[in-house]
Amino acid sequence: SQKIEQNSEALNIQEGKTATLTCNYTNYSPAYLQWYRQDPGRGPVFLLLIRENEKEKRKERLKVTFDTTLKQSLFHITASQPADSATYLCAPTSGGSYIPTFGRGTSLIVHP
Amino acid sequence: DVKVTQSSRYLVKRTGEKVFLECVQDMDHENMFWYRQDPGLGLRLIYFSYDVKMKEKGDIPEGYSVSREKKERFSLILESASTNQTSMYLCASSGSDRGPTDTQYFGPGTRLTVL
Repeated sequence: SQKIEQNSEALNIQEGKTATLTCNYTNYSPAYLQWYRQDPGRGPVFLLLIRENEKEKRKERLKVTFDTTLKQSLFHITASQPADSATYLCAPTSGGSYIPTFGRGTSLIVHP
Repeated sequence: DVKVTQSSRYLVKRTGEKVFLECVQDMDHENMFWYRQDPGLGLRLIYFSYDVKMKEKGDIPEGYSVSREKKERFSLILESASTNQTSMYLCASSGSDRGPTDTQYFGPGTRLTVL
């Protein structure tokens, strides 16, 4: 069955460092993959989308990579700030579908 | 900016009650979705709709029904609420193109407690 794995343990880092979050998937061939941010008690908010034929995508301090051979996406936040503390969800979508499947998310805590 | 609103942020109901959760989007999106989110289980799709009066079951439809009479409005109905339906309920919508860029826009969520 299709499986999406994100680290269940929180990632703790110091302000100013680069945070790297991992999303691994199995039994899946996503046409594209999205990353969302979710704050406590709120709905997820879209951050970035990367297609299967793209290796890397950037937006301000955010960078996403997509390795279809490794079946993995990495999400980086450079120069992290305490305001970046949240849960980050990856959401791959299979080709032919328009409905992403959401991972359980990884909590990021940036310490001042 | 896309706006998705949900009728209540917090709701407390009793076992056996009929519960309506309403969702409205203002971007003329074709697709609308209902999820529930529980600690450790992530987001699980209950039902979705790709057009007015159309509905499709998601991964966990049991105990729920939906209604989409107008394009902008998608309702989730708990016919007879049970305690295991205590959860955060999230509504989302996505664009008119079923192509690969259907980003989902979420509402603020309704935290439902069934006593």
